[in-house]
Amino acid sequence: SAVISQKPSRDICQRGTSLTIQCQVDSQVTMMFWYRQQPGQSLTLIATANQGSEATYESGFVIDKFPISRPNLTFSTLTVSNMSPEDSSIYLCSVDWSERDTQYFGPGTRLTVL
Amino acid sequence: SQQGEEDPQALSIQEGENATMNCSYKTSINNLQWYRQNSGRGLVHLILIRSNEREKHSGRLRVTLDTSKKSSSLLITASRAADTASYFCATGGNLDDKIIFGKGTRLHILP
Repeated sequence: SAVISQKPSRDICQRGTSLTIQCQVDSQVTMMFWYRQQPGQSLTLIATANQGSEATYESGFVIDKFPISRPNLTFSTLTVSNMSPEDSSIYLCSVDWSERDTQYFGPGTRLTVL
Repeated sequence: SQQGEEDPQALSIQEGENATMNCSYKTSINNLQWYRQNSGRGLVHLILIRSNEREKHSGRLRVTLDTSKKSSSLLITASRAADTASYFCATGGNLDDKIIFGKGTRLHILP
């Protein structure tokens, strides 16, 4: 299995600021995913990040609001820009483990926007 | 759009009892997965069942899949306090397929 870490684990931010979340994997993976889990809700996929290409965003999510970087096969960042209280959520990265047809998830970043 | 729908949304049982959660989905699938999420934490993959499988076991977990009814169930036997968590079914995840999650079942094990 893959070991995935995220930084920060939690943060409290002011409205209008931006936060960059880092996701580090202990092995090289092709596909990385970013999810959002709003309070009491299920996970929603934000975007898929492949190394060497632009991220693919799901409906309702745009690059200006959630820019993503994928500089190599073990690392990705998600930035939540110009934050508002509605962005308060847990943000999780995950990686695709194609040999097992499954995904492994990071521990998540709990974001609170005041 | 969400694919899986878990039922019930919330479930409270006494420790030692069995817990059953159901998941229904709408379209054809390659596999179905169950995840657990402890409060405010990341997801933990529990079990994957492929579309050509009907039942799968892992420890105290038993998963069934009925593709004709587009439904799956997760049974946790001899529940423990540590089983208190939210459980999600998810479909997809085959190679570059996206995984789509249901809304989850919140399971609470009473002492």
